[in-house]
This record gives sequence, structure tokens and C-alpha cells, in this order.
Amino acid sequence: NAGVMQNPRHLVRRRGQEARLRCSPMKGHSHVYWYRQLPEEGLKFMVYLQKENIIDESGMPKERFSAEFPKEGPSILRIQQVVRGDSAAYFCASSLGAGIDEQFFGPGTRLTVL
Amino acid sequence: GENVEQHPSTLSVQEGDSAVIKCTYSDSASNYFPWYKQELGKGPQLIIDIRSNVGEKKDQRIAVTLNKTAKHFSLHITETQPEDSAVYFCAASIEGGSQGNLIFGKGTKLSVKP
Repeated sequence: NAGVMQNPRHLVRRRGQEARLRCSPMKGHSHVYWYRQLPEEGLKFMVYLQKENIIDESGMPKERFSAEFPKEGPSILRIQQVVRGDSAAYFCASSLGAGIDEQFFGPGTRLTVL
Repeated sequence: GENVEQHPSTLSVQEGDSAVIKCTYSDSASNYFPWYKQELGKGPQLIIDIRSNVGEKKDQRIAVTLNKTAKHFSLHITETQPEDSAVYFCAASIEGGSQGNLIFGKGTKLSVKP
């Protein structure tokens, strides 16, 4: 049973470009969470999605960031017009049930903005 | 909102010694407390968790204790081995309902010296 998959593992963008990060949850999991980790910091919650629904986006910056989890395909975290401060590791986690169930994390996407 | 404090930020022990990492939380409604281990360049891996209806849980060399009154919980690793070296994160959340996000501490970098 494959774990949570994220791609790309590393992404380099120039300021002003768009970054798209993809996350495929574990098989059978329909709940996806995105977290951001700055160097030497803990993980900060961004958004919680179920299939076709955003459940909680309280940790998401109001501008330039969006997330989706379509009926088919992976969850996408999209960052428009990236700035240097967006450089971080972005982790996706998935869980089986509603609310909190065990969250399983992917390997992360390391975004570098030049 | 919830706030999780974690101490110490770095911990160095000799192989075979015990390691203890402590966390405090602020929201008395929190009832789920997982611990994650993160190795360099990888995503966090769940190593043990505890829910507020128990005070202690053990899994081989790892144990977690919870004091709801004082709002703190601790990770205990006995007979440490070099492969235990990693960054450990505590987290807290409210299980159930629409809140799915984990609030993480800032991490403890554990070094086990052979």
C-alpha cells in the first residue's frame, strides 16, 4: 500500500512565477491536509480538504494561495506570483476519517524561490 | 487558538541513556496528542499518540504521558540508539468535528552519540 505521494520533491521558481504542488493521499483516504515548514521551525497548518470541498482554510494566506482536491486526481496547492518568503517545505498529509484520525505525511515538496 | 510549546530545542544523549521531551498546550479542549519523528529530508512519521482519556501509553522503547490538569505531555525514549537521532515534534488537536488540523511544537533535535 503506497504511502502519501507528493511531487515534485524539489521545485525552483523565480519571483512572480506560479508553483503547483501535488499530493496523492494514501489509498482509501479522502481527507487531505497541507502544512508549511520553514527552516528550523515546526509545521504550520494551511488547509484541510475533503474530496471537492475545502473544510478549513484558516491557515492559508488570503492572497496568492489556493488549494483544491477534485473528485478525480491529486490535491493541488497552488501559489501564484511567488515571492522569496514562500520558500519552504510543503507537506501534505492524509487521513482515513473525519475530524482527526491518524495523519500520514508525504515526503514534502521543497520550494525555492530565486 | 491552540498554542504548543516544546522543550528542549536540542537534546544530546549518550547511546543507552533515556531522552525526555516535554510539551505544553493552551487549549483545554485539545484531546489528541501525536508525536512525530522527522529525519533529514523526509516527512514526519507518526511514532506514538495519546488521547485525553488515558494518562500513559507505551510502545516498546517509547512512552508518552499526559497530564490534562497541567496541560502538558511528554515523550520518553529509553535505551536510546544512534538511529533515534532525528527531530521530534509534538502536536495537539481537537478530535472530531470540522477541525482537522494539528498544531505543532517547534521541534526537538535529538542527537544520540555512540
